[in-house]
Amino acid sequence: DVKVTQSSRYLVKRTGEKVFLECVQDMDHENMFWYRQDPGLGLRLIYFSYDVKMKEKGDIPEGYSVSREKKERFSLILESASTNQTSMYLCASSFDQGLEQYFGPGTRLTVT
Amino acid sequence: GEDVEQSLFLSVREGDSSVINCTYTDSSSTYLYWYKQEPGAGLQLLTYIFSNMDMKQDQRLTVLLNKKDKHLSLRIADTQTGDSAIYFCAGCKYIFGTGTRLKVLA
Repeated sequence: DVKVTQSSRYLVKRTGEKVFLECVQDMDHENMFWYRQDPGLGLRLIYFSYDVKMKEKGDIPEGYSVSREKKERFSLILESASTNQTSMYLCASSFDQGLEQYFGPGTRLTVT
Repeated sequence: GEDVEQSLFLSVREGDSSVINCTYTDSSSTYLYWYKQEPGAGLQLLTYIFSNMDMKQDQRLTVLLNKKDKHLSLRIADTQTGDSAIYFCAGCKYIFGTGTRLKVLA
């Protein structure tokens, strides 16, 4: 069975902290994605990666960076967390660009 | 830029049909998708339609695609309380709609 896991379901951090969100997929997918989900705004793409060490900015990359050192793992980094980064973060993967995505359960991040 | 629009809420009675609508601007997607998000969970693919099709039926689900109007709809027949969720339409370029929250009343 296809699986995408995220390191935490809930996370509370203070303003200015460095935050790491980890995502692991076991399907040998080339493509991995980070989205944030906010009420009334749907899903917005932060970054995606189409191969190890490769990344592309999505629609809202400001304040975020990513790392893909291994094919199965894609990390989202908030260098200095701010309250406007309080959100639900969803990781996804897909075999090929344009094909269906498989999502993790999400991490609800609160920055106080 | 590319955009996908959905209404935010839909409320139906158990046993009725639900129709969730989506309009999009980018017509280059080979596939168009419907995802379902249950409370506290990530998104799960519900169904999809190939862009050269007008209709696809999958048990209680019917997807209609009007390419001329760039309109996609998802019809759920005999809606059940377990269908209560947020439904997202999406194309190939990682653009998702805002999601429609479906509430099924017993």
